[in-house]
Amino acid sequence: DVKVTQSSRYLVKRTGEKVFLECVQDMDHENMFWYRQDPGLGLRLIYFSYDVKMKEKGDIPEGYSVSREKKERFSLILESASTNQTSMYLCASSARLWPGGGKGELFFGEGSRLTVL
Amino acid sequence: SQQGEEDPQALSIQEGENATMNCSYKTSINNLQWYRQNSGRGLVHLILIRSNEREKHSGRLRVTLDTSKKSSSLLITASRAADTASYFCATPNTGGFKTIFGAGTRLFVKA
Repeated sequence: DVKVTQSSRYLVKRTGEKVFLECVQDMDHENMFWYRQDPGLGLRLIYFSYDVKMKEKGDIPEGYSVSREKKERFSLILESASTNQTSMYLCASSARLWPGGGKGELFFGEGSRLTVL
Repeated sequence: SQQGEEDPQALSIQEGENATMNCSYKTSINNLQWYRQNSGRGLVHLILIRSNEREKHSGRLRVTLDTSKKSSSLLITASRAADTASYFCATPNTGGFKTIFGAGTRLFVKA
């Protein structure tokens, strides 16, 4: 079974702390994504990466950074957590459209629910 | 802004009934996808329909696509309590990097 694994299902952090959310996929996918999901706002793309060491801003990158040192791992970093970053964070991966043969379908992890106090 | 918008926002039906959810989008697409999310979990890909297809089936799922109206519908036949979840339509951009999700339809199937 293909798998995207997020390191923590639940985290509680304090304002100002540095937070690392880790995501690993075992499908050899080129593309990886971080979304956040909030009630009434749906899923919003924070950052994505289409190759090792490559990263692109999504729609809401402010307050976040990412790291992709290995193909299978994509980390989301909150440099100084704030209460408005309390959310569900979802990691996803997909195969490259061409020549990877991917269709654009995303494979998601189980999510990391972050609470910032 | 969200490209896909689902309708209705919430739907409550009895087990055995059919559930229909609709999605509208704004720009041209290569394909449209539907995902399911159980409460507190990640999203699971259900079905993909290409822009040159009008209808697609997968088990109890039937998806239609009308590119002239920029709309799609997901029909779940003979629903079960286990179908209780949120359902999202999603449209990838041309490069496939920015998949836009709608706000979702929350389906509740009563046993």
